[in-house]
Amino acid sequence: NAGVTQTPKFRILKIGQSMTLQCAQDMNHNYMYWYRQDPGMGLKLIYYSVGAGITDKGEVPNGYNVSRSTTEDFPLRLELAAPSQTSVYFCASSYRLGGTDTQYFGPGTRLTVL
Amino acid sequence: QKEVEQDPGPLSVPEGAIVSLNCTYSNSAFQYFMWYRQYSRKGPELLMYTYSSGNKEDGRFTAQVDKSSKYISLFIRDSQPSDSATYLCAMNTGNQFYFGTGTSLTVIP
Repeated sequence: NAGVTQTPKFRILKIGQSMTLQCAQDMNHNYMYWYRQDPGMGLKLIYYSVGAGITDKGEVPNGYNVSRSTTEDFPLRLELAAPSQTSVYFCASSYRLGGTDTQYFGPGTRLTVL
Repeated sequence: QKEVEQDPGPLSVPEGAIVSLNCTYSNSAFQYFMWYRQYSRKGPELLMYTYSSGNKEDGRFTAQVDKSSKYISLFIRDSQPSDSATYLCAMNTGNQFYFGTGTSLTVIP
């Protein structure tokens, strides 16, 4: 199994540009998450999905959109990039059993907005 | 007030030392408590999770939760250079997860 994969690894955007961060998992997990990690700020949940066709906002959803058309894929869309979106983005997936689960994280995408 | 507070360190210890990492939290609704390890430029990986107050042991790692004080700890015994990483505490209620800022640990051979 490849686990959780993310593309691209690095990206530089200009202010106002758009892009999609790709995330895929091959573990048949029902739950998927997007986080951003800023220095000294920890991981913040952007969006999550409990299954194909179902998404919900996390703690910091503004400026982002997601979709979940399949179990495997959970892309994150930035429509109008802003410098405040410079961060490392992590995708995670899990198979929820009970109240919590083991989240498996991807390697991250480092995004810089100039 | 942040949901989860964690001392960022950095923490530097000699090989073989006992390491204590701590987090405090403010939301009494948190039900599950987790510790993740994150190596440089990698994604976090789950080390341990606990549900109730008390201790949970896994090899050299012990997770401790005190719900009455809203305080959790991770102890690492016989620390090794390979334990050098950032350690993140996390907790959740329902589908929302909250992470600490992470403590950077270096174990010196």
